[in-house]
Amino acid sequence: AQTVTQSQPEMSVQEAETVTLSCTYDTSESDYYLFWYKQPPSRQMILVIRQEAYKQQNATENRFSVNFQKAAKSFSLKISDSQLGDAAMYFCAYRRGYGGATNKLIFGTGTLLAVQP
Amino acid sequence: EPEVTQTPSHQVTQMGQEVILRCVPISNHLYFYWYRQILGQKVEFLVSFYNNEISEKSEIFDDQFSVERPDGSNFTLKIRSTKLEDSAMYFCASSEPGGQGVGQPQHFGDGTRLSIL
Repeated sequence: AQTVTQSQPEMSVQEAETVTLSCTYDTSESDYYLFWYKQPPSRQMILVIRQEAYKQQNATENRFSVNFQKAAKSFSLKISDSQLGDAAMYFCAYRRGYGGATNKLIFGTGTLLAVQP
Repeated sequence: EPEVTQTPSHQVTQMGQEVILRCVPISNHLYFYWYRQILGQKVEFLVSFYNNEISEKSEIFDDQFSVERPDGSNFTLKIRSTKLEDSAMYFCASSEPGGQGVGQPQHFGDGTRLSIL
């Protein structure tokens, strides 16, 4: 069974600085997708960024980028120029690649990010 | 931008009562999901639904749970006889068609907070 591990329960960053959130996963599959979701205090789940396992190039979305290391099964999220609005719980999630879009997301336990002014 | 809409935002129910949580997925999406998040814990998959039938369900999704798409827009989760441990935030998600293996992201609603007394 696939598992997702986020080893940092809490992180803190100064406004305008850069922070990296860690995520590792375990799978025997070669085709899969990885996601980072943000959950602010309002509790909604917002997609931040996604990565296809077959792509070597790391995904980037404005101030958010990932470091995808397939051999190491590592998928970290880097937030540059941190803003107060980035404060939230961040969840790493895995989804297998075959079987169409019915595949479930498997979430890690989350990292609570605080942004200090 | 289209959104997944969930109602109600907060539901308080006596133990043993039936509850129905409602979701309106994004209009062109064909894959639907329910997840739950017990306070302070990670998000857990409950069930996925496609073409008017359940595609996959977790161990949590026992006989007390059911899902339905009663018309072309709503997607509901029913809990027949609620238990204290059903207290959680319930998220609906949907994704658009994308063919086999295409990593279409799941878009989440704001959630329904279910409190069982």
